[in-house]
Amino acid sequence: KAGVTQTPRYLIKTRGQQVTLSCSPISGHRSVSWYQQTPGQGLQFLFEYFSETQRNKGNFPGRFSGRQFSNSRSEMNVSTLELGDSALYLCASSLGFGASGGTYEQYFGPGTRLTVT
Amino acid sequence: DQQVKQNSPSLSVQEGRISILNCDYTNSMFDYFLWYKKYPAEGPTFLISISSIKDKNEDGRFTVFLNKSAKHLSLHIVPSQPGDSAVYFCAATPNAGKSTFGDGTTLTVKP
Repeated sequence: KAGVTQTPRYLIKTRGQQVTLSCSPISGHRSVSWYQQTPGQGLQFLFEYFSETQRNKGNFPGRFSGRQFSNSRSEMNVSTLELGDSALYLCASSLGFGASGGTYEQYFGPGTRLTVT
Repeated sequence: DQQVKQNSPSLSVQEGRISILNCDYTNSMFDYFLWYKKYPAEGPTFLISISSIKDKNEDGRFTVFLNKSAKHLSLHIVPSQPGDSAVYFCAATPNAGKSTFGDGTTLTVKP
């Protein structure tokens, strides 16, 4: 099975611009989560989608948004970029969502390294 | 308030010895715990997990111990190998909820 893929792998943007990152989950996985990792920090949860619905949301401003398509692929968008948004953005997929009977193990993509100048 | 804490940012161990990575949590609603390993320039990789109904889970060289009363879990790697050198994250999940990750511990296994 192919793993989780993320595009692009690297991105350089300037302050004020907006960016869209893409994630393709493992085939058959219906849950997709997004995380932000900054140097010295753990993985900060952004949001989770399951069957095109946002199931959980982290404590990030409204500039961060996401969506999931019917084929489970997901995108996240960051508008009005700030210098502090420079980070590694990780996407993770899993079989299910909590009580739906899925497992909790997540499978991560390689991440998108976003640099805001 | 950080709900999942890995108090040791780094750990150095000699090859062949035991590595013990620790993790503390505060939320009693967490009922599933996971460890992930991360190499540079790669995403985290799932390593091992444990449900709150158990106190130990073993997979080869890796064993996770859970002490619910102390809200503490640990990952034991025996014997440690140089290829185990990576950043290790613990994560905790409540039922039907989102995973909360610690800040990670960088393990270095010296040959």
